[in-house]
Amino acid sequence: GAVVSQHPSRVICKSGTSVKIECRSLDFQATTMFWYRQFPKQSLMLMATSNEGSKATYEQGVEKDKFLINHASLTLSTLTVTSAHPEDSSFYICSARDPRGRVAFFGQGTRLTVV
Amino acid sequence: AQSVAQPEDQVNVAEGNPLTVKCTYSVSGNPYLFWYVQYPNRGLQFLLKYITGDNLVKGSYGFEAEFNKSQTSFHLKKPSALVSDSALYFCAVRDMNNNAGNMLTFGGGTRLMVKP
Repeated sequence: GAVVSQHPSRVICKSGTSVKIECRSLDFQATTMFWYRQFPKQSLMLMATSNEGSKATYEQGVEKDKFLINHASLTLSTLTVTSAHPEDSSFYICSARDPRGRVAFFGQGTRLTVV
Repeated sequence: AQSVAQPEDQVNVAEGNPLTVKCTYSVSGNPYLFWYVQYPNRGLQFLLKYITGDNLVKGSYGFEAEFNKSQTSFHLKKPSALVSDSALYFCAVRDMNNNAGNMLTFGGGTRLMVKP
């Protein structure tokens, strides 16, 4: 199936710093990508929809100035967690829908730990 | 609005026995239905989908699922479970008639434990 690559898989950062997570669709173009957050033993919570060439659409309760999303090309979306705090520690997952088969494929996830 | 329910937090089954992971959904239009599997500290892997056609769909690793429109269900099944099937399983739905409709809605997940 189609491949979505997410990098890094793990990151540890100090409180107050910013962290950038990349999500790439490797063999298809994605005008839309999605960013999710997953808490331990819970389902995925949609944070935002990333739209190529325009502003991201954020879900209610998600701070857009905290979680900056940039979808600069048809194969790359980035999520930047700005001024990270320990409560931002979580598992972040991106996905992109392959238009050929209507299936959403997911990145490997990024485990963020803020210390 | 669309929603997905996975009524069981955990399903336990002995290796070699059949398994079923339940999923029911609600959409205003016609559904696209998906099953994904998640291993620890990994993203979601696609298992199978129902878009249209035969109600019984077959997917990866010997899994299959049956779309039942009258019961609005899409239960995941496998005839003979393996210990390596132990993981977290998510059912998801997308409303094909929704113009905004790239968004997947996930169930809460069901942890499958297969014991030797």
